[in-house]
Amino acid sequence: GAGVSQSPRYKVAKRGQDVALRCDPISGHVSLFWYQQALGQGPEFLTYFQNEAQLDKSGLPSDRFFAERPEGSVSTLKIQRTQQEDSAVYLCASSLVPPGLRGTQYFGPGTRLLVL
Amino acid sequence: AQSVTQLDSQVPVFEEAPVELRCNYSSSVSVYLFWYVQYPNQGLQLLLKYLSGSTLVESINGFEAEFNKSQTSFHLRKPSVHISDTAEYFCAVSGVNYGGSQGNLIFGKGTKLSVKP
Repeated sequence: GAGVSQSPRYKVAKRGQDVALRCDPISGHVSLFWYQQALGQGPEFLTYFQNEAQLDKSGLPSDRFFAERPEGSVSTLKIQRTQQEDSAVYLCASSLVPPGLRGTQYFGPGTRLLVL
Repeated sequence: AQSVTQLDSQVPVFEEAPVELRCNYSSSVSVYLFWYVQYPNQGLQLLLKYLSGSTLVESINGFEAEFNKSQTSFHLRKPSVHISDTAEYFCAVSGVNYGGSQGNLIFGKGTKLSVKP
């Protein structure tokens, strides 16, 4: 079946602009994660959803970052008033079961955000 | 909290030579361990994982990794690499006792494997 998809694949934003990044997880997957991957670094955790509930947002770097998953499937990561340091690849991953049941995380291709 | 160290940022190797990509972790709780691979212009793909049981785990394309609890390591090895193995490899851990609401992966900075003819 289809894997995790993300859109747009590339986004160029002017500093101060708001952006919205979309993630379509694998159908039926309960868990959804967002990660941020800066250039030359490994991915870093941002937030986690179990169905529509956002159970962990400890990795969000500032209150300019907001994520939602209102119907327990598609998720949107929104960044308000973008700054240059927000430039990174944003990865979405989904898992069939909650983390406690050892679900494997499947990653999307990422959205590469460049803030000018 | 957990952390992952991949000591080698780049590993050049000739085709058909053996390779080892090193990964060490630190954690105050038991962990699950993973290796992900990222081919050029593609997303992260799970290569192999250790959850429990046998400490030696294998992938379908000839890679293997061994969980060594005493050395807190999970090094990735392949006895003979191919050009097609050129990619970036990420080691990751997930804490087992995280309270049931997390399970997010903690990644190393990655190792770029470059296989030359």
